[in-house]
Amino acid sequence: AQSVSQHNHHVILSEAASLELGCNYSYGGTVNLFWYVQYPGQHLQLLLKYFSGDPLVKGIKGFEAEFIKSKFSFNLRKPSVQWSDTAEYFCAVGFNKFYFGSGTKLNVKP
Amino acid sequence: DTEVTQTPKHLVMGMTNKKSLKCEQHMGHRAMYWYKQKAKKPPELMFVYSYEKLSINESVPSRFSPECPNSSLLNLHLHALQPEDSALYLCASSRSGGAFGELFFGEGSRLTVL
Repeated sequence: AQSVSQHNHHVILSEAASLELGCNYSYGGTVNLFWYVQYPGQHLQLLLKYFSGDPLVKGIKGFEAEFIKSKFSFNLRKPSVQWSDTAEYFCAVGFNKFYFGSGTKLNVKP
Repeated sequence: DTEVTQTPKHLVMGMTNKKSLKCEQHMGHRAMYWYKQKAKKPPELMFVYSYEKLSINESVPSRFSPECPNSSLLNLHLHALQPEDSALYLCASSRSGGAFGELFFGEGSRLTVL
């Protein structure tokens, strides 16, 4: 069965620390890749997406992600987090339908 | 703000009630989705409508009945629900079906079944 794995379930960082959240998927074909963010009490919002082309994609709020095809990975990064980045982050993979990872809860301490 | 509007935002119902959740989008998207999200869990796909036709039903119990009256509207009819059906129900849309584009989510309808 197809799956999306997010290895970090809960991450706690101080402001200005660097962030990397892992995402791996199991599907050998062409996929579309997404990171969604859910701020407390808000709806899911798209952070960034990869369909094709440059494997390093930049999203909103200073986030970026790198698609490494050989590793089936699409890790999310941010060089310097802010308190306002506290949220839950979901990786999603789309081919015939969307598959979501289990989510990573990020707490940024001021 | 999201361009996918869901009503009601909160719903409390008994196990014998019949209620409906509504979703509306005016982005011209041709695929619409219902997801169920439990606390601290990812969204779970329930149904997909593509060009107003049900294209995916993820083996959802018949007490949940989707309806797509037109390309802008999506309903979820609820009947004889169980307390374990309490969750946040999310509607989403995309330009077309097949997971080739991003999903736009509504804020969700929080359902409590007593």
